[in-house]
Amino acid sequence: AQRVTQPEKLLSVFKGAPVELKCNYSYSGSPELFWYVQYSRQRLQLLLRHISRESIKGFTADLNKGETSFHLKKPFAQEEDSAMYYCALSAGGTSYGKLTFGQGTILTVHP
Amino acid sequence: GAVVSQHPSWVICKSGTSVKIECRSLDFQATTMFWYRQFPKQSLMLMATSNEGSKATYEQGVEKDKFLINHASLTLSTLTVTSAHPEDSSFYICSARGWGLAYEQYFGPGTRLTVT
Repeated sequence: AQRVTQPEKLLSVFKGAPVELKCNYSYSGSPELFWYVQYSRQRLQLLLRHISRESIKGFTADLNKGETSFHLKKPFAQEEDSAMYYCALSAGGTSYGKLTFGQGTILTVHP
Repeated sequence: GAVVSQHPSWVICKSGTSVKIECRSLDFQATTMFWYRQFPKQSLMLMATSNEGSKATYEQGVEKDKFLINHASLTLSTLTVTSAHPEDSSFYICSARGWGLAYEQYFGPGTRLTVT
């Protein structure tokens, strides 16, 4: 069975500082990894997908299969980045499309 | 973009009654819908997957007879919590995936259920 771990429940940084939200996973096959974000009073929305290898809102995430990690990074945090961030994994085969979520990290960016 | 709505946004019901939650894809056809449950300050847990026109697939530990899921059309899935008990109180979230959107799920705003 797959598992996603986000070791930090809370993360606080100051505006302009770099930020890294950690995500580790366990899965025997080739997973698809995602980062979802939930801003205050809003629904969950997709931020990044590892296959896309794109930067959204200045955030990037690289899949490291050796370390089974998919950490989310941004070089200069902004106040509007304050939100709940979830790392999620989609397995293959019959479980394709099903998401396993990590516990989430609440990011607070102070002015 | 793709929008998913849920109704109601919150509901209070008495123990022993049933309550139905609707999930609708507003501007796309949802071939697959997922139902999640979220406890306070905890992560989302997948309850079941429903494909239009077929029976839902439930995750291990989820009672099929208690959480009835129907996906009768390409834009509507319903979750009925039968004989609700206080421990069923939770935040229920649905998501939907459509044709050509193999990886992306669009999430509804969630429904807060309180059973008294």
